[in-house]
Amino acid sequence: KQEVTQIPAALSVPEGENLVLNCSFTDSAIYNLQWFRQDPGKGLTSLLLIQSSQREQTSGRLNASLDKSSGRSTLYIAASQPGDSATYLCAGADQAGTALIFGKGTTLSVSS
Amino acid sequence: GAGVSQSPRYKVAKRGQDVALRCDPISGHVSLFWYQQALGQGPEFLTYFQNEAQLDKSGLPSDRFFAERPEGSVSTLKIQRTQQEDSAVYLCASSGGSGVGSNQPQHFGDGTRLSIL
Repeated sequence: KQEVTQIPAALSVPEGENLVLNCSFTDSAIYNLQWFRQDPGKGLTSLLLIQSSQREQTSGRLNASLDKSSGRSTLYIAASQPGDSATYLCAGADQAGTALIFGKGTTLSVSS
Repeated sequence: GAGVSQSPRYKVAKRGQDVALRCDPISGHVSLFWYQQALGQGPEFLTYFQNEAQLDKSGLPSDRFFAERPEGSVSTLKIQRTQQEDSAVYLCASSGGSGVGSNQPQHFGDGTRLSIL
């Protein structure tokens, strides 16, 4: 069964820094890997989806990579801003099913 | 609608009561998912519908949990004889594809925060 781990659990950085969030998964046979953002008391906002045949996706200041062989994905945030403060979750699709398997998330705090 | 809508946003119930949580998916979305999110944790899958068919209910924690989507649009998650461990945020998501393998992103509602006293 797919298991997803995110490190670190929390991260604090000053505004303007570039940063990397890490996600690892146990089953390399995933359909896709999705990164979400969750603000307090809110639902999840989809940021990027990487298909199993892709190696990375980019949207604005965000870049997500996928390395199936090593079971890792990273989310790179360039020039961080206080508005980026939120919890970031990665999720992989179970090979045999339809469910997204989530990590516990990384809570990011960007100070001005 | 513009996004996934869930109601109520907050629900407080006494232990033993039945509750019903509603989800209005994005119009035209085939797939609908329910997740349960405990405090400080990532969401955990409960069940999945493709149109009106419930194709996967492997994540439902007990037979007290029941979900339906009779007309392939609005879905209701019902919890009978609620217990304190049912307290969590219940998230609904919809997708334009037919299941996760279609590579369509899931779009989430803001969730229903359920508190059992």
